[in-house]
Amino acid sequence: GENVEQHPSTLSVQEGDSAVIKCTYSDSASNYFPWYKQELGKRPQLIIDIRSNVGEKKDQRIAVTLNKTAKHFSLHITETQPEDSAVYFCAASRGQNFVFGPGTRLSVLP
Amino acid sequence: KAGVTQTPRYLIKTRGQQVTLSCSPISGHRSVSWYQQTPGQGLQFLFEYFSETQRNKGNFPGRFSGRQFSNSRSEMNVSTLELGDSALYLCASSLESPKVNEQFFGPGTRLTVL
Repeated sequence: GENVEQHPSTLSVQEGDSAVIKCTYSDSASNYFPWYKQELGKRPQLIIDIRSNVGEKKDQRIAVTLNKTAKHFSLHITETQPEDSAVYFCAASRGQNFVFGPGTRLSVLP
Repeated sequence: KAGVTQTPRYLIKTRGQQVTLSCSPISGHRSVSWYQQTPGQGLQFLFEYFSETQRNKGNFPGRFSGRQFSNSRSEMNVSTLELGDSALYLCASSLESPKVNEQFFGPGTRLTVL
């Protein structure tokens, strides 16, 4: 079955710097890759997603890139703000099944 | 529009018991997915229902089951509870599919098995 790895597990950046989180997946048939943000004590929330027919997608300060050949996709957050501090989960999906990465705890230091 | 709601929010059970959790999706949403979240295993997909049919299932034992009603409300059941079933159980709803439409998560039910 699908296996999703996510790195780093924790990431600390200074406010205003960029943050990059990388995920790798094993199933080449996976075709949908969402990213979720979960603030402490709150529910996960979709922040951006990408499909296998697209290489890059951007939404304001957030971007996701996908390399199908290497089977990895990355989340890029620019101009980080304290409110970006949260746990970020990537996921890979084939069919209606979702396999999540273990999460990255991002801390943005003021 | 009201968000996804889950009841109960907290539950304490003992080993061997069974439990039923409920999820009410956003009005108009027909797809409901269930997830288990634990510190050790992270977020894991349990199953997804659409139009009262289980459309997909994750790698969980048969003790975990679910169903969906005609109004799209969903329940999940865990029988013969084990200590390792202690977790936050999240449901999420989407219009037709979590892959096509954004899925919105509920607040979760925190299950503690003693």
